[in-house]
Amino acid sequence: KQEVTQIPAALSVPEGENLVLNCSFTDSAIYNLQWFRQDPGKGLTSLLLIQSSQREQTSGRLNASLDKSSGRSTLYIAASQPGDSATYLCAVNQAGTALIFGKGTTLSVSS
Amino acid sequence: GAVVSQHPSWVICKSGTSVKIECRSLDFQATTMFWYRQFPKQSLMLMATSNEGSKATYEQGVEKDKFLINHASLTLSTLTVTSAHPEDSSFYICSAFLRGTETQYFGPGTRLLVL
Repeated sequence: KQEVTQIPAALSVPEGENLVLNCSFTDSAIYNLQWFRQDPGKGLTSLLLIQSSQREQTSGRLNASLDKSSGRSTLYIAASQPGDSATYLCAVNQAGTALIFGKGTTLSVSS
Repeated sequence: GAVVSQHPSWVICKSGTSVKIECRSLDFQATTMFWYRQFPKQSLMLMATSNEGSKATYEQGVEKDKFLINHASLTLSTLTVTSAHPEDSSFYICSAFLRGTETQYFGPGTRLLVL
């Protein structure tokens, strides 16, 4: 059974810092890996989707990498801002199946 | 494109009543939809997979007689929480598969509070 682990569970940084969030999964036979953002009491915002054949995806200050063979992904956030404060969720799926989520990393960026 | 809606966004009900939540794919057809539940400060847990025209597949530990799922059309799946109790209070989120892409698109969620 696929399990997704995210480290750290919580992270506090001052504004402007670059930071890395980690995600690992136990079954490397994935189809997609996706990073989401969730603000308190809100739904999910999709940030980046990496297909299993890809190594990384970039959007603005965000860069996600995927090492499928080792079962790992990282989300890199450059020049963090207070508006980046949220919970970041990593999720993976296999073809035709539902995304399985990690427990998330709660990020707090102070000004 | 690929928008998923949920209705209602908020519902408060008395213990023992039933609540129906709708999940719609607005601009695409979804043969498969998924229902998740999220308790406070926890992650999303898959409850069931809903396939159009067939019975839903429930995850281990989810009572199929309590959480009734109907996927009668290619754009609509419903989740009915029967005889709701306070422990059913949670955030329910649906998602729909965009055929051919293996990508799930998520609805905005429904917050249920059972008094």
